[in-house]
Amino acid sequence: AQSVTQLDSQVPVFEEAPVELRCNYSSSVSVYLFWYVQYPNQGLQLLLKYLSGSTLVKGINGFEAEFNKSQTSFHLRKPSVHISDTAEYFCAVSSNAGGTSYGKLTFGQGTILTVHP
Amino acid sequence: DGGITQSPKYLFRKEGQNVTLSCEQNLNHDAMYWYRQDPGQGLRLIYYSQIVNDFQKGDIAEGYSVSREKKESFPLTVTSAQKNPTAFYLCASSSPGLAVYEQYFGPGTRLTVT
Repeated sequence: AQSVTQLDSQVPVFEEAPVELRCNYSSSVSVYLFWYVQYPNQGLQLLLKYLSGSTLVKGINGFEAEFNKSQTSFHLRKPSVHISDTAEYFCAVSSNAGGTSYGKLTFGQGTILTVHP
Repeated sequence: DGGITQSPKYLFRKEGQNVTLSCEQNLNHDAMYWYRQDPGQGLRLIYYSQIVNDFQKGDIAEGYSVSREKKESFPLTVTSAQKNPTAFYLCASSSPGLAVYEQYFGPGTRLTVT
């Protein structure tokens, strides 16, 4: 079984400050990792993904994340946030155990990022 | 434009009534999913379908039913057996191969049952 823990339910920051949203996962097999963003009353949009290769992954809107296998973490970072980054962010994990083509995602509880002027 | 549409955006029902939520995609994706979102709980998988005329229960299927008669459509029925149906419902789809792990989401339907 796999699980995801987002360590902060809410993160308030000021505009142009750096931010890190933390995500830890547990899984007994190799994983694929994702960050999604959700603006109020909308669906989820993929920010970035780690499937293999470089552990530093760059996504849209200036976000990046680093896969750390030893610490089972996939923290999301942005060096300078904007008001428009205010949203809820979800970390998700999937595994390819058994070679199934079904992409089951397990989501964290979400982190609400609020950027203040 | 390709994408996923969900209708209606807001839905109100009385307790004891069944209600069907629509999900249509024109991305030519094989797999489709239904999630339920509650505040502070993330997304939980209700049902998924990998191909037409086949679907599987997810983690919280009790009180829900689905059908997959067409590749483009995956409607979800919330039955009166669902004890706490008020929630935000999200539909998603994905294509085969590694891309199956990258899911595209619709805008969601907010269901309120009183």
